[in-house]
Amino acid sequence: DTEVTQTPKHLVMGMTNKKSLKCEQHMGHRAMYWYKQKAKKPPELMFVYSYEKLSINESVPSRFSPECPNSSLLNLHLHALQPEDSALYLCASSQESEGMMNTEAFFGQGTRLTVV
Amino acid sequence: AQTVTQSQPEMSVQEAETVTLSCTYDTSENNYYLFWYKQPPSRQMILVIRQEAYKQQNATENRFSVNFQKAAKSFSLKISDSQLGDTAMYFCAFMKSSLYGGSQGNLIFGKGTKLSVKP
Repeated sequence: DTEVTQTPKHLVMGMTNKKSLKCEQHMGHRAMYWYKQKAKKPPELMFVYSYEKLSINESVPSRFSPECPNSSLLNLHLHALQPEDSALYLCASSQESEGMMNTEAFFGQGTRLTVV
Repeated sequence: AQTVTQSQPEMSVQEAETVTLSCTYDTSENNYYLFWYKQPPSRQMILVIRQEAYKQQNATENRFSVNFQKAAKSFSLKISDSQLGDTAMYFCAFMKSSLYGGSQGNLIFGKGTKLSVKP
């Protein structure tokens, strides 16, 4: 199984809503990532989790709240978003263990988020 | 800090012909990986090819091959016998690598090259 599964595929939310994006992988990867991708732009790193602990936060506004409940799951909680937060949100995972090289990141299909 | 530069925003190629996409990068790291990812309109980011910096031999995957010039920090992608399904955005990406973990797996992307394969 080399899949990263993201749900939902599409999400429309109002600026006062609270919603969550979910990401799941069963490859035994211990590093998981959230990227944000605007149209016709490359993905931009938001958060990195390593062994279920937040290791990188790229100065993301607090209206985005990541959570890693276990080694297979990664959530992104959304609250009070702005229309400019509309984008494709990509989850990825990679191998992360002492003594073993990271080799590549596997991506999910993304959640297309629209904030109205 | 690492940077990745793709100087060709858009390219087109006739079906069955060969096309080369350019990528340069800047880093002071010695251990790293370079990747080409493909993102079709379906938006799934798909790994096309991977190159380990410590390997001198250029990576190949079927119709896809790279020209890795470490000293010049250049990493171009050659697509042979182009197919309509190759139409996509192609991103060159850099990743640090460490034997000791440490969340080195986050990718730094170039701005992308939109490739159109014409029938």
